[in-house]
Amino acid sequence: DAGVIQSPRHEVTEMGQEVTLRCKPISGHNSLFWYRQTMMRGLELLIYFNNNVPIDDSGMPEDRFSAKMPNASFSTLKIQPSEPRDSAVYFCASSSTIGDSNQPQHFGDGTRLSIL
Amino acid sequence: AQSVAQPEDQVNVAEGNPLTVKCTYSVSGNPYLFWYVQYPNRGLQFLLKYITGDNLVKGSYGFEAEFNKSQTSFHLKKPSALVSDSALYFCAVRDTAGANNLFFGTGTRLTVIP
Repeated sequence: DAGVIQSPRHEVTEMGQEVTLRCKPISGHNSLFWYRQTMMRGLELLIYFNNNVPIDDSGMPEDRFSAKMPNASFSTLKIQPSEPRDSAVYFCASSSTIGDSNQPQHFGDGTRLSIL
Repeated sequence: AQSVAQPEDQVNVAEGNPLTVKCTYSVSGNPYLFWYVQYPNRGLQFLLKYITGDNLVKGSYGFEAEFNKSQTSFHLKKPSALVSDSALYFCAVRDTAGANNLFFGTGTRLTVIP
């Protein structure tokens, strides 16, 4: 089975530009999570969705960040405008709560974002 | 609030020796605990979880973890370390019973020395 698919794997852009990160969760999973990983702050949960509905976005750093999940098979994380401090590895993860709410999260391989 | 602590940033162990990566937790209610591993340039991979039942949980790649309620710990263990076990290890606790997001520890970098 295909795992969580993230694109692009790497993104280098100049500050001020809009950045869009994409995620395709595992088919059948109804929960989706966006994380950010940096050396300084470790792994941070940005936002998560259940059944395409945002449940908790308290981890989103500021209004420059937005996330959408228009359907069960696709989500985006957008940064506009981007700043150098947004440079990090962004992970998407998915899981299922159907039948067992303790099923593990499955992570994509991340998008390494560099803002110059 | 739920939280986990990984007191060691770095653990070094010789190949063939037993390894332990420590994790302590703080929860309100029943603990739902997880271990994940991250290899370079990869996402986190699930190793094992404790939900209820036997305190010794077995997982992938020969890893196991022991749940200790009195010490509020969930240490990851392996009887004989391999060089390929070198990676970053994260302990995590699930949010309250009504949610399924996880709170991750800061991670422990394990280096297995040949």
